[in-house]
Amino acid sequence: DQQVKQNSPSLSVQEGRISILNCDYTNSMFDYFLWYKKYPAEGPTFLISISSIKDKNEDGRFTVFLNKSAKHLSLHIVPSQPGDSAVYFCAALTSGTYKYIFGTGTRLKVLA
Amino acid sequence: GAVVSQHPSRVICKSGTSVKIECRSLDFQATTMFWYRQFPKQSLMLMATSNEGSKATYEQGVEKDKFLINHASLTLSTLTVTSAHPEDSSFYICSATPGLAGGPLSNEQFFGPGTRLTVL
Repeated sequence: DQQVKQNSPSLSVQEGRISILNCDYTNSMFDYFLWYKKYPAEGPTFLISISSIKDKNEDGRFTVFLNKSAKHLSLHIVPSQPGDSAVYFCAALTSGTYKYIFGTGTRLKVLA
Repeated sequence: GAVVSQHPSRVICKSGTSVKIECRSLDFQATTMFWYRQFPKQSLMLMATSNEGSKATYEQGVEKDKFLINHASLTLSTLTVTSAHPEDSSFYICSATPGLAGGPLSNEQFFGPGTRLTVL
């Protein structure tokens, strides 16, 4: 039972354009969400997070949007850069617990 | 700040041997550490959680006798894969948090660079 899903396994975007990565979840108890970036053979690197009391959080080129009614979040990267090419994981958890539930990842390729 | 290291970064061993992987928090005290496993092109799956000084809590389906976890200090946790077999070949990643599992800081996890285990 995959509680957190990233339905697009891969995405290609031209440099300078916007990258939009999507994530859907099923568990309504999740109230904290994170996005991580991962290169092959490396550990995940934290990008940005959002609490369920917000619907948007922005940090530089990265913005996360949360739609609680749709149980959907998205990560926007603008402008996209070739160095952004990596696998992006969303993760969800219920505050007060420790258990990250990771999505299956989306491989982003930014074309120069 | 919040750096987590893992050693070794990759290890190749023969079937039947045991392998120990170390996870260290370098600049903070990690009350709780987590061990994940990632198969190729798949998500990270939580294997177990350990609080310093207590026994690890294993996720369903993870054999605690095969994957021994020790969290003896606030900066070090070890995962020992006992009697390794080729199906144990995977990418193992640890993470650490300064908070107690279930506590107010437990949203933040800092990940190590991972260890690639290959069992021949």
